Amino acid sequence: AQSVTQLGSHVSVSEGALVLLRCNYSSSVPPYLFWYVQYPNQGLQLLLKYTSAATLVKGINGFEAEFKKSETSFHLTKPSAHMSDAAEYFCAVSVTDSWGKLQFGAGTQVVVTP
Amino acid sequence: KAGVTQTPRYLIKTRGQQVTLSCSPISGHRSVSWYQQTPGQGLQFLFEYFSETQRNKGNFPGRFSGRQFSNSRSEMNVSTLELGDSALYLCASSYSGGAEETQYFGPGTRLLVL
Repeated sequence: AQSVTQLGSHVSVSEGALVLLRCNYSSSVPPYLFWYVQYPNQGLQLLLKYTSAATLVKGINGFEAEFKKSETSFHLTKPSAHMSDAAEYFCAVSVTDSWGKLQFGAGTQVVVTP
Repeated sequence: KAGVTQTPRYLIKTRGQQVTLSCSPISGHRSVSWYQQTPGQGLQFLFEYFSETQRNKGNFPGRFSGRQFSNSRSEMNVSTLELGDSALYLCASSYSGGAEETQYFGPGTRLLVL
């Protein structure tokens, strides 16, 4: 069965510093991988997705993620944090081409300090 | 284009009652998925509907059910509510098709069971 593990439930980063959120996956078949962001009292917003087209995936708001099969990882990065990046971030995996059934990680809360 | 609409946004029920939540997807999206989000269990997949048929189902008891109508609107029902059903219920609509492949989440329905 597929699953994802997010390392670190809370991350604190200074404004302007690198944001790095870690996600490792477990899947018996080539996975589809996703990163979502959730702002307080809102639903989830898709940041980016990996569907085997390219290992480096660029998303919205300056985020990108790199798929590394050898490390079974899909870490999310942003070169320079902004105050508006404070939110909860979720990594998710699907082993089908259906968007409908996703297995989410536990989430990482990002705090951005001035 | 209007986003995913979920109604009601907030709901208070008592144990033993039943509840119906509604989700209107983005126009043209034929897939609707439901997730339960709680602090303890995180985001968990409930079910996915595509063209009025349940395409995927999560590991929830039979008290949780859903359906999709011909206009793609979806409802989920929870019968005999338990305290543990208190959660944010998120609906997502998706369109799969080449470069237009994407998914959007609604703002959620927050259910409190007393």
